Amino acid sequence: KAGVTQTPRYLIKTRGQQVTLSCSPISGHRSVSWYQQTPGQGLQFLFEYFSETQRNKGNFPGRFSGRQFSNSRSEMNVSTLELGDSALYLCASSSETVLYGYTFGSGTRLTVV
Amino acid sequence: EDQVTQSPEALRLQEGESSSLNCSYTVSGLRGLFWYRQDPGKGPEFLFTLYSAGEEKEKERLKATLTKKESFLHITAPKPEDSATYLCAARGGGADGLTFGKGTHLIIQP
Repeated sequence: KAGVTQTPRYLIKTRGQQVTLSCSPISGHRSVSWYQQTPGQGLQFLFEYFSETQRNKGNFPGRFSGRQFSNSRSEMNVSTLELGDSALYLCASSSETVLYGYTFGSGTRLTVV
Repeated sequence: EDQVTQSPEALRLQEGESSSLNCSYTVSGLRGLFWYRQDPGKGPEFLFTLYSAGEEKEKERLKATLTKKESFLHITAPKPEDSATYLCAARGGGADGLTFGKGTHLIIQP
């Protein structure tokens, strides 16, 4: 079956702009989580959605937001981009949180210039 | 605050030379300990989930074990294709998603 699909794969934005990233989970999975990966901090949890509701949120500023649609697809948005937002943004889906492994997508590489 | 620490940061082995990677965790109400493999430019690939101390899981040349404070990923007779970054993550009883370690960058030389 198809894996987790993230679009776009690469993105270059200018400071101050905003960006929207998309994630399509594995068919049947209702939980979607987002992570930021940087060389210095590693993988850090952004937020988690289940059935269109945000269940958990990591320690990131309010410029980072997300949503989940009725078909479980999710988007995350970053407003007023800063250079430090350059990172690999990863989406993970799960049929049930925790009980089963999370399946990650290949990520969106965001570069802020 | 949940914490996950992996060691060593990097490990270089000869093909066939077995070793272990360590993951120490401090998590309130552990609900799962996860191991992932990540290749350059790709997302993490799920390997194992462990739920309770004493549990062990195996897959090909990899074996993961769990104690109350640590998890180990044992690699037996590794091959060059086992070269990757291995990530450990824990899910606690709180509401903060997975807490990841910084990973162990493993290189297997032919």
